[in-house]
Formats: sequence, C-alpha cells, structure tokens
Amino acid sequence: DTEVTQTPKHLVMGMTNKKSLKCEQHMGHRAMYWYKQKAKKPPELMFVYSYEKLSINESVPSRFSPECPNSSLLNLHLHALQPEDSALYLCASSQSGQAYGYTFGSGTRLTVV
Amino acid sequence: KQEVTQIPAALSVPEGENLVLNCSFTDSAIYNLQWFRQDPGKGLTSLLLIQSSQREQTSGRLNASLDKSSGRSTLYIAASQPGDSATYLCAVSQETYKYIFGTGTRLKVLA
Repeated sequence: DTEVTQTPKHLVMGMTNKKSLKCEQHMGHRAMYWYKQKAKKPPELMFVYSYEKLSINESVPSRFSPECPNSSLLNLHLHALQPEDSALYLCASSQSGQAYGYTFGSGTRLTVV
Repeated sequence: KQEVTQIPAALSVPEGENLVLNCSFTDSAIYNLQWFRQDPGKGLTSLLLIQSSQREQTSGRLNASLDKSSGRSTLYIAASQPGDSATYLCAVSQETYKYIFGTGTRLKVLA
C-alpha cells in the first residue's frame, strides 16, 4: 500500500459545527503532516507529527485541533471555523528524517458557510 | 529566509513539444528537492525526489536536474501530451519536516 487516504473528499460545514478530517497511511511512515491550500497558492504547513507526537505547530488557530491516535492515523478536528478557512486540506506522510520525500493524499475540499 | 520561485507561472504549448520548467531557491543549504504535479482540486502527486548529493533523477519522460550551488532545478518533460496538463510544484527541504513550496507553474498542453 503506497497511498495516503483522506476522508471525506468534500465537506460543507456551518460556523457552529464540529467536524473531523481523517487521514490514514499504511506505509510505515512515522511522520505525518497537515497542509492547507487556498486556490492558486502553494500548500502551507499547519502541523507535523513525528512518532505520534506533535513536532510542529505553525501558529495555527485553536479552532483547528490535530490528533494522532496511532502511527497510521491522523485526524484534524474542526470547530467554530470561519468562511476564510475554506480551502483544500492536504495530509502527507514520510519516513522520519531529512532525506525522505513526501506522499500526499488527495485532499479534503472544505467549505465553511 | 529561503524563497522558492518558479518561472514561468503559466505555460501553454502544443502537444509533442519538449519543455523545461524552472525552480529557483535562494539558499543552497538544502537536504533535497521534490517535484510534484497537482491536478485542479486534487492532491499532490510526487514526480521526482533529488537528494542534495545528486545531480539528476529520471522517470519515464521526466528528468529533473539539481544545481545546488546556483540554486536551481529544472524539470524536463519530453514529448508533452495533453494528459501532462497540470500545475507543477517544486519544494525544497531545509529543515527536518519542513518543505518550502514554490509558487507553481500551470502547464497546458494543447491537442
């Protein structure tokens, strides 16, 4: 299995809703990432988990809450989002360390209404 | 601070042409550079990964080169096809767990 699987593919949520994005990989990668991408812009790093521990938080607002329950699974919990949070949310994984490239999932298209 | 630039921002070519996409970075102290392809509204597909000690990598019709000292990488696509139409992104790794992405080149190959 050489894929990163993200669910759902599309999500529409109200500003008072709570929802979660899910990411799964079975490649034995020990680093997992959340990126946010707005239209016609490059991806922006949000969070990095290494060996199930949060390694990097790029000053993301607390309405985004990441969770890494095990080495294969990464969640992003969403609460009280704003319309400007509408974007493509991408999950990626890699081996731990400096020499390895990333494998990305197909993304979740999030619309906040 | 590392900055990654891709030129041109957009490119439209007839089918069958060989083409070169450029990626420039300001700090040559990188671990590796990765080229990705992104179809509209989709995730990123890894094309080629070049380690800092390597000069080039090849996969099928794609060839990527790296010149660390001049801060440049090129992605060469041979015999372009309409299915190659996508946005191409380069990304450099300078810190563990952090890729810095370029702004991308939107490629359209006309049939």
